[in-house]
Amino acid sequence: GENVEQHPSTLSVQEGDSAVIKCTYSDSASNYFPWYKQELGKGPQLIIDIRSNVGEKKDQRIAVTLNKTAKHFSLHITETQPEDSAVYFCAARSPGRRALTFGSGTRLQVQP
Amino acid sequence: EAQVTQNPRYLITVTGKKLTVTCSQNMNHEYMSWYRQDPGLGLRQIYYSMNVEVTDKGDVPEGYKVSRKEKRNFPLILESPSPNQTSLYFCASSSTGTSMNTEAFFGQGTRLTVV
Repeated sequence: GENVEQHPSTLSVQEGDSAVIKCTYSDSASNYFPWYKQELGKGPQLIIDIRSNVGEKKDQRIAVTLNKTAKHFSLHITETQPEDSAVYFCAARSPGRRALTFGSGTRLQVQP
Repeated sequence: EAQVTQNPRYLITVTGKKLTVTCSQNMNHEYMSWYRQDPGLGLRQIYYSMNVEVTDKGDVPEGYKVSRKEKRNFPLILESPSPNQTSLYFCASSSTGTSMNTEAFFGQGTRLTVV
């Protein structure tokens, strides 16, 4: 089955800096890659997603890139703010499966 | 306000005592699912439902049951809870009109402890 590895497990940046979180997946057939933000005491929140026919997608300060050849995708957050502090999860879905396979999460801390 | 509501938020129970965690969404979504979240393992899908009376197993269904009698509700049932089901549980929903049927909305979670 699909396996998703996420790095780093923790990331600390200064306010205004950029943050990058990387994920690799094992199933070359996977075709959907969402990212979630989970704040303390809350459920995951879908923040951006990308499909396998697209290499990059941007939404204001957030962008996701996908390299199908290398089987990895990354979340980029620019001009980080303290409210970006949270745990971020990547996920992947293989065709024919309903379950998302999640990475183990990255705790991002933005220092004011 | 669009939301997925889970109850209870916290539950401590004893081994073998049947329990139900409720999940309700107010967005008329067809697709609903349950995940459990354990440290270092991310989220893993337990069961999902494509619509009323249509349910199927996810990746870790053992020890759980679900039902989907109404579109808005998708309860998770533990007939005989065991300590290895101690976890943080999330219900999610989305419209099948959205591509990929992704888990677009998550509830706030239910922290279950089985002693």
